[in-house]
Amino acid sequence: NAGVTQTPKFRILKIGQSMTLQCAQDMNHNYMYWYRQDPGMGLKLIYYSVGAGITDKGEVPNGYNVSRSTTEDFPLRLELAAPSQTSVYFCASSYGLQGGSTDTQYFGPGTRLTVL
Amino acid sequence: GDSVTQMEGPVTLSEEAFLTINCTYTATGYPSLFWYVQYPGEGLQLLLKATKADDKGSNKGFEATYRKETTSFHLEKGSVQVSDSAVYFCAPGDTGNQFYFGTGTSLTVIP
Repeated sequence: NAGVTQTPKFRILKIGQSMTLQCAQDMNHNYMYWYRQDPGMGLKLIYYSVGAGITDKGEVPNGYNVSRSTTEDFPLRLELAAPSQTSVYFCASSYGLQGGSTDTQYFGPGTRLTVL
Repeated sequence: GDSVTQMEGPVTLSEEAFLTINCTYTATGYPSLFWYVQYPGEGLQLLLKATKADDKGSNKGFEATYRKETTSFHLEKGSVQVSDSAVYFCAPGDTGNQFYFGTGTSLTVIP
């Protein structure tokens, strides 16, 4: 199993550009998540999904969009990139069998995004 | 609201020193509690977990006991190594859709 994969690893965007961060998992997990981690800070949840076709906002959703058309994929879309979106983005997944955050989350390696 | 409070870092220790990183929570109780570790340049990975009160999680020489009476889940290791240098995150496991982590504690172990 590859686990959780993310692409790209690094990206530099200009202000106002758009991009999609890709995330895929091959563990048949129900739950998937997007977090951002700013330098020296903890993780903040952007969006999450409890299954295909279902998404919901986390703590910091503004400026982002997601979709979950399949169990495996959970892309994160940035529209009109801003310097405040410079961060490291982590995708994660979990079984979610008991609901909520009771199951172990498995993380991808991250995408380091810089907006100039 | 419910939350997790984690000891602030950074923490610098000499090799073979004893490590404690404090974590307390404010809810009446969580079904499970986790410690995750993030090595430089990587994503988080599970270090250990406890799935009920008085349960002890352990892995790689690290231990943490789910203490309901003190609402704590402190991380300990008897003898740290340079390879333990990382950021450690405490996280509650809740049946509601609240997904959050402690602020993280950076540990540097010097030879």
